[in-house]
Amino acid sequence: AQRVTQPEKLLSVFKGAPVELKCNYSYSGSPELFWYVQYSRQRLQLLLRHISRESIKGFTADLNKGETSFHLKKPFAQEEDSAMYYCALATGGTSYGKLTFGQGTILTVHP
Amino acid sequence: GAVVSQHPSRVICKSGTSVKIECRSLDFQATTMFWYRQFPKQSLMLMATSNEGSKATYEQGVEKDKFLINHASLTLSTLTVTSAHPEDSSFYICSAPSLAGGTQYFGPGTRLLVL
Repeated sequence: AQRVTQPEKLLSVFKGAPVELKCNYSYSGSPELFWYVQYSRQRLQLLLRHISRESIKGFTADLNKGETSFHLKKPFAQEEDSAMYYCALATGGTSYGKLTFGQGTILTVHP
Repeated sequence: GAVVSQHPSRVICKSGTSVKIECRSLDFQATTMFWYRQFPKQSLMLMATSNEGSKATYEQGVEKDKFLINHASLTLSTLTVTSAHPEDSSFYICSAPSLAGGTQYFGPGTRLLVL
């Protein structure tokens, strides 16, 4: 069975500092990985997906199949980045609907 | 962008009653929708896949007679928690895939409290 692990429940950094949110996965198939973000009092929304290889709001994530990791990084954190971040693994076909979520990491960026 | 709505946003009910939660795709059609459950301070757990025109597919360990899912149209899926008990209290979230595939649009969630 697939599994997603986010080892840090809480992560605090100061504004302007680099930030890295860790995500490891286990899956026997070809992984499709995503980062979702939930800002305070808002719904879950897609931040980025590994297949698109894009940078959103300054965040990037590289899929490392050797280490089965998909860490989220940003070189200079901003206060508005404070949110809950979920790493997710998709299975079940092209709709990418069946998502297995990690436990989530609450990122707090201090001024 | 695409929007998914849920109704109600929160509901309180007595133990033993049934509660229906609606999930709508507002400006796009969704032949498939997904229902997740989130316990306090925990992650989302997929409960079931709702399929328009056919039976829902439940994840292992999810009681299909307890959580009835009906995908009545291309824009509406409903989750009915039957004979609710306090342990069913949770945050229920639905999602629908984008038309192009590759991402999910999530509803705002429904908080259920069973007394």
